[in-house]
Amino acid sequence: SAVISQKPSRDICQRGTSLTIQCQVDSQVTMMFWYRQQPGQSLTLIATANQGSEATYESGFVIDKFPISRPNLTFSTLTVSNMSPEDSSIYLCSARGADNSYEQYFGPGTRLTVT
Amino acid sequence: AQRVTQPEKLLSVFKGAPVELKCNYSYSGSPELFWYVQYSRQRLQLLLRHISRESIKGFTADLNKGETSFHLKKPFAQEEDSAMYYCALRHGGGFKTIFGAGTRLFVKA
Repeated sequence: SAVISQKPSRDICQRGTSLTIQCQVDSQVTMMFWYRQQPGQSLTLIATANQGSEATYESGFVIDKFPISRPNLTFSTLTVSNMSPEDSSIYLCSARGADNSYEQYFGPGTRLTVT
Repeated sequence: AQRVTQPEKLLSVFKGAPVELKCNYSYSGSPELFWYVQYSRQRLQLLLRHISRESIKGFTADLNKGETSFHLKKPFAQEEDSAMYYCALRHGGGFKTIFGAGTRLFVKA
């Protein structure tokens, strides 16, 4: 199994600023993902964080707005840039094991409010 | 396009009653299907997957390819089953998982 922690757990930010969310996994994992969960909505995949290369973004999400880093097999960051109130959401980090197991693990989420 | 549909946002049942949470999917290949659950103040976690054909906490789900459904069932609901349930699909052999909108199950005493 994999235990995922995220920092910060929540933040209130002003529009136009940027926030970087950190995701730490307690073991090496093959795949890491970032999801967004807007109020009352389901999880939407933002991107797959690739170790040592650029992230793979889903339709509707771009690198300039959501730059992602993954320097090693246990850590990733997501930055929400030039924030607007529409970015208010819960951001979830997720990972699959090094054995490419079927189970996907989730972090506790970062609750972001943009004012 | 791949899609997961959970038609019910909220399902309320009495304790001891049967419960069925519906999930339909659209996918042209061979998908892997999962149910995830999120209890109050806890993180999202895997409940079960179709390949294993197992029963977890009394819940079962059968993949019906003809109806493209993967409904979650439990014969006798318990209060501790109250949670948010998400049906999810992963491309067979792939790595991306997409989620349905979720169904909130409320089991009344």
